Order: sequence, then C-alpha cells, then structure tokens
Amino acid sequence: QKEVEQNSGPLSVPEGAIASLNCTYSDRGSQSFFWYRQYSGKSPELIMSIYSNGDKEDGRFTAQLNKASQYVSLLIRDSQPSDSATYLCAVPPKGGYNKLIFGAGTRLAVHP
Amino acid sequence: DTGVSQDPRHKITKRGQNVTFRCDPISEHNRLYWYRQTLGQGPEFLTYFQNEAQLEKSRLLSDRFSAERPKGSFSTLEIQRTEQGDSAMYLCASSLYTFNVVTGNTIYFGEGSWLTVV
Repeated sequence: QKEVEQNSGPLSVPEGAIASLNCTYSDRGSQSFFWYRQYSGKSPELIMSIYSNGDKEDGRFTAQLNKASQYVSLLIRDSQPSDSATYLCAVPPKGGYNKLIFGAGTRLAVHP
Repeated sequence: DTGVSQDPRHKITKRGQNVTFRCDPISEHNRLYWYRQTLGQGPEFLTYFQNEAQLEKSRLLSDRFSAERPKGSFSTLEIQRTEQGDSAMYLCASSLYTFNVVTGNTIYFGEGSWLTVV
C-alpha cells in the first residue's frame, strides 16, 4: 500500500461548482497533512495544512480531515478555470517528521 | 523574503555528462530538501539537510547523485554520468524546523530545475 494515495483524475467540474479532491494515507499516526497546487510546468505551491479532525477553511478552500478513516480532502468552492491544476496531498512519513511524502496528485479541470 | 531560488532553471545535457544544480533556500530556514518529479508523478524525496548536515538520503538515490550544503546556506545537487532516466524536474525546498507538527513540516518549493538528458 502506498503511503499516500490519490485518484489521478482528471476530475472535471463546471465553473462555479464545488470540486472535491480526496487523499488517503496509510500511517494511522500521521498528525499533519498538506495540500499543494501545481500548475502544469510549475513547481508545487502550498495551499493549506491541517492537523485536527474536522474542517479548516481558507477562502474558497476547505480542508477536511478524518483520522479514524485515514483520509483528508480538499473542497474548492465556486471553482474557477484558474483552479485547473494538479493537487498534491502530502503527509510526513511513518515514524518521522523529516520530510513530506507526496501522492501522485489529482488533476482538476474546471470548464467554463 | 525572496523565496527558494534554483539555478539553472533548464538544463539540456548529453548522456554521460555531469550536471550541477544550485539551490538558495529561504534565508531563515534551517532545513533544505531535494526532490525529483517526473511527468504524472508527485515529488519524490531524494535527500535533506539540517543546517550543513545531510541527515537522510533516499535508498532510491543512485551513487551518481551527490548533494552538499557546505555552510548551511545554499546547496548543490550534482549528477554524474547522466542517463536518460535522470530527465526530470529537480525541486529544492526549505523549511524552518520546529517541534510544531504543522509548521515544522511545512516545506516551500523553489521553481524547479528541469533536466533533459539527450
């Protein structure tokens, strides 16, 4: 089992809709979780971090964490074409906090 | 805050040549990371430094790869005898390590260095 798993997509949503991106992780002891956005040909940029069960909101973005089920999700409200990118989920590895392990990413396409 | 900077941004080299990438982290950050990313994959961890000490290297990292951070500031990643499979984007990232489980693990990437081996 991979440490961090994401559906590769593409996830296609119409402009103005809610995009829901999901990520599962293998280490039940993980305490912090990160979402990065990566535009084609560019480097990843941090969107949000979350470490408590429940929801964390930042503008149009909401991160949701469920430690019992070992998944973390990212909701994007009022999706815009400029949100079209690959979204990467990242988690510190089992037993350590020395780096982040990334999923392969989910490609999101927002169409007008 | 100028962010993480990498140089060169693009490099095309012939198979068998050596290449070196440089990374300047965010100035107050004590940790520096190197990742590699190929098309359709997430960033893959290569190595990291805390100050000048290289604390971890991925088992996937070939002996042809070497990284240094001599004074705990900038870092270099050298690839010797390049192979076509080395073609990728090489990402440098930095963080300010603390015991806080969130902020201590928050890493910030540079713009990346694209390597094409022909």
